[in-house]
Amino acid sequence: QVQLVQSGTEVKKPGASVRVSCLFSGSIFPGSYIYWLRQAPGQGLEWMGWINPNDGGTQYKEIFQGRVTLTRDMSITTAYMEVSSLKSDDTAMYFCAEGPYYMDVWGQGTTVIVSS
Amino acid sequence: QSALTQPASLSGSPGQSITISCTGNSSDLGASGSVSWYQHHPGRAPKLLIYNVISRPSGVSHRFSGSKSGNTASLTISGLQTEDEADYYCSSYSRGNTLDNIFFGGGTKVTVL
Repeated sequence: QVQLVQSGTEVKKPGASVRVSCLFSGSIFPGSYIYWLRQAPGQGLEWMGWINPNDGGTQYKEIFQGRVTLTRDMSITTAYMEVSSLKSDDTAMYFCAEGPYYMDVWGQGTTVIVSS
Repeated sequence: QSALTQPASLSGSPGQSITISCTGNSSDLGASGSVSWYQHHPGRAPKLLIYNVISRPSGVSHRFSGSKSGNTASLTISGLQTEDEADYYCSSYSRGNTLDNIFFGGGTKVTVL
């Protein structure tokens, strides 16, 4: 089964960018995707986008288009999520997850704190 | 503001059954066969409990079951145990021609009394 390991806590100033990595090990079958989600303090889960690790195709939730970029490097089986123009309400736990059209396996989460 | 509506909290005693509802509309949950449920203990990674409305991944207890009627999906936890105390989220996945949409409920905090 796929395992996902995310990078560590990030502290950024407003206006900066952050990149979170998600190392995936094990086989990702065709038709499975790497999803990115976040959970702000006291809030529920929110889907941000997905990347197809096999062909690099991406899709973003509309509100994140233009500010979030998903990429992957298959040579090191790592997916990346970059968020630009950070605001204080981007402070959240960010998760990567893998699955076909549901999130089967999850990373442990990465805390991103945006504060001046 | 979540697209899917769940009760904020539910509680039950050990051994009891509880049912968490998840209500959407005809264009999200009502139209989706891809309804899933997740258990989240704060500080840990969420865990998939149910996919495709009723299917359970291997390793998930039979005490968790899913169903859907119209625009409402439900997760039932039978024989409530102390380790079931967690947050639970429903989700629906709609694959469009040009744009997918994945909706989550706001989460239900389950307390075992």
